Amino acid sequence: GENVEQHPSTLSVQEGDSAVIKCTYSDSASNYFPWYKQELGKRPQLIIDIRSNVGEKKDQRIAVTLNKTAKHFSLHITETQPEDSAVYFCAASPPSQFYFGTGTSLTVIP
Amino acid sequence: GAVVSQHPSWVICKSGTSVKIECRSLDFQATTMFWYRQFPKQSLMLMATSNEGSKATYEQGVEKDKFLINHASLTLSTLTVTSAHPEDSSFYICSATARGLIGMQPQHFGDGTRLSIL
Repeated sequence: GENVEQHPSTLSVQEGDSAVIKCTYSDSASNYFPWYKQELGKRPQLIIDIRSNVGEKKDQRIAVTLNKTAKHFSLHITETQPEDSAVYFCAASPPSQFYFGTGTSLTVIP
Repeated sequence: GAVVSQHPSWVICKSGTSVKIECRSLDFQATTMFWYRQFPKQSLMLMATSNEGSKATYEQGVEKDKFLINHASLTLSTLTVTSAHPEDSSFYICSATARGLIGMQPQHFGDGTRLSIL
């Protein structure tokens, strides 16, 4: 089955700096890669996703890049704000399942 | 956007009690629902995948007789924790995917249920 690794597990940045979270996957059949943000005690919320026919996608301060050859994808958050503090999960999806990474706890220091 | 409602949000009960958690897709038909368990500061652990009208597929190590899943309609799936014990205390979250190729549709999550067994 699919194996998704996510790094780093914790990340602290100063407000205004950029944050980068990286994930790797193992199953070449994975063709959909969503990113979720989960605040403490709340539901994971989809923040951005990318499909395998696209190499990069951007939505305001958030961007995701995908390298299918190397089987890795990354989340980039620019101009971080305190409200970006949360746990972020990547996921890789072959046609019949979702596999989540272990999560990254992001802290944005004011 | 797609909305998934999960109830109850918090349950406290005595050991030996069975607890039912409901997961509903409010504005779309969910052909597949997922049930996760999440421990503090840890990732989502998939327990089972539930397809409407068929038996759930359980992940390795998850007892199907302990965690009964029913997906009777395109908008409702239930998870029943039977004879719950303190070690079953956890945060349980459901998610739903709309009709289509599963791998191409995002999951929409419920708010989760915090289960505390005394």
